[in-house]
Amino acid sequence: DTEVTQTPKHLVMGMTNKKSLKCEQHMGHRAMYWYKQKAKKPPELMFVYSYEKLSINESVPSRFSPECPNSSLLNLHLHALQPEDSALYLCASSQELPGLAFSRVVVGQYFGPGTRLTVL
Amino acid sequence: QQPVQSPQAVILREGEDAVINCSSSKALYSVHWYRQKHGEAPVFLMILLKGGEQKGHEKISASFNEKKQQSSLYLTASQLSYSGTYFCGPNRGSGAGSYQLTFGKGTKLSVIP
Repeated sequence: DTEVTQTPKHLVMGMTNKKSLKCEQHMGHRAMYWYKQKAKKPPELMFVYSYEKLSINESVPSRFSPECPNSSLLNLHLHALQPEDSALYLCASSQELPGLAFSRVVVGQYFGPGTRLTVL
Repeated sequence: QQPVQSPQAVILREGEDAVINCSSSKALYSVHWYRQKHGEAPVFLMILLKGGEQKGHEKISASFNEKKQQSSLYLTASQLSYSGTYFCGPNRGSGAGSYQLTFGKGTKLSVIP
């Protein structure tokens, strides 16, 4: 199974709503990522989890709250979003990377299909 | 810190070759290349490591010039399936644990019959 799944595919929410995005992978990857992608723009890194611990937060507003309940699941909790937060939210996973000394073995990231979020 | 990709867009006829460049102002440890088709998720193509090694799974080659802090993706004998937007993503991380990618603005490649 080399697939990253994301639910829901589409989400429309009001600015006062609370919703969650879900991401799942069963490839045994221990690094998982959230990206935000606006139309005709590149994906922008939001969060990185490594071994279920948050390792990188790219100065994302607190209205976005990530959670990694186990090694296969990644959630993104949304609260009090703004219309400018409307975008495609992509989840990705990758194998954990060895340290620099052993860095000859690397693989890329596997991306899920994304959740298209519209904030009204 | 965003890498600069060139060209922004290119149109090819089937069978033609193309080169996409990616330049960074920061020292590069590794560079990732991804392709994204319209309405789809990005798909991993290649990783370029220091020392010039390539890791990938498609018939697309690439180079990595550490001194120039530049990577180039070479598409030869292009096929219709090569159409899409190509992103380079230097890894800002140390290489241990996980990736910390900053993608360039992308190069839109269109292959026509």
